[in-house]
Amino acid sequence: AQSVTQPDIHITVSEGASLELRCNYSYGATPYLFWYVQSPGQGLQLLLKYFSGDTLVQGIKGFEAEFKRSQSSFNLRKPSVHWSDAAEYFCAVGPGGYNKLIFGAGTRLAVHP
Amino acid sequence: NAGVMQNPRHLVRRRGQEARLRCSPMKGHSHVYWYRQLPEEGLKFMVYLQKENIIDESGMPKERFSAEFPKEGPSILRIQQVVRGDSAAYFCASSQGAETSGANVLTFGAGSRLTVL
Repeated sequence: AQSVTQPDIHITVSEGASLELRCNYSYGATPYLFWYVQSPGQGLQLLLKYFSGDTLVQGIKGFEAEFKRSQSSFNLRKPSVHWSDAAEYFCAVGPGGYNKLIFGAGTRLAVHP
Repeated sequence: NAGVMQNPRHLVRRRGQEARLRCSPMKGHSHVYWYRQLPEEGLKFMVYLQKENIIDESGMPKERFSAEFPKEGPSILRIQQVVRGDSAAYFCASSQGAETSGANVLTFGAGSRLTVL
């Protein structure tokens, strides 16, 4: 069955520290991969996406993610976290065709000053 | 260029009442998706519509839920005879085209949060 797993429900980091949010997927073929961020009471904003090509993708707000086919992973990273990065982060996969995305349960990020 | 507009942002209903959630896609977008987010969970696909057509409703509960996207006006998600388990955030998203691609990435609205008493 197709699924997305985000193993960390909550993560707390200090401002200025590096960040890595994990995402593993189960899918029969190479999927399209996305990271979205959701601030409290807001909709989802696309951070970055992977469709093909270079496995290291750059996104907005200084985020990047690396697709590792052998590990079925698409982890999100940021070298230095800002207090404004506190939010919930969702990894999603798409089968191609139309945008019927499968989302992980999310990782809630807290940032300490 | 306004984004995806959803209203109401918050809706409170008593059990057995009807809930209607509206979604106006981004200008130029003709593909609309509804997703539901239950508390402490990720988003789950419900339905995909194009103008006057339901393309995929495989994520919709079989009873009480319906969706439409008329030729004119917003897309509507309708929940009849609501129950407490319907309490959730309902997100609408739109895209310019159908195929998953860089040009057709979903843009999400801010969501409608339904509370059933």
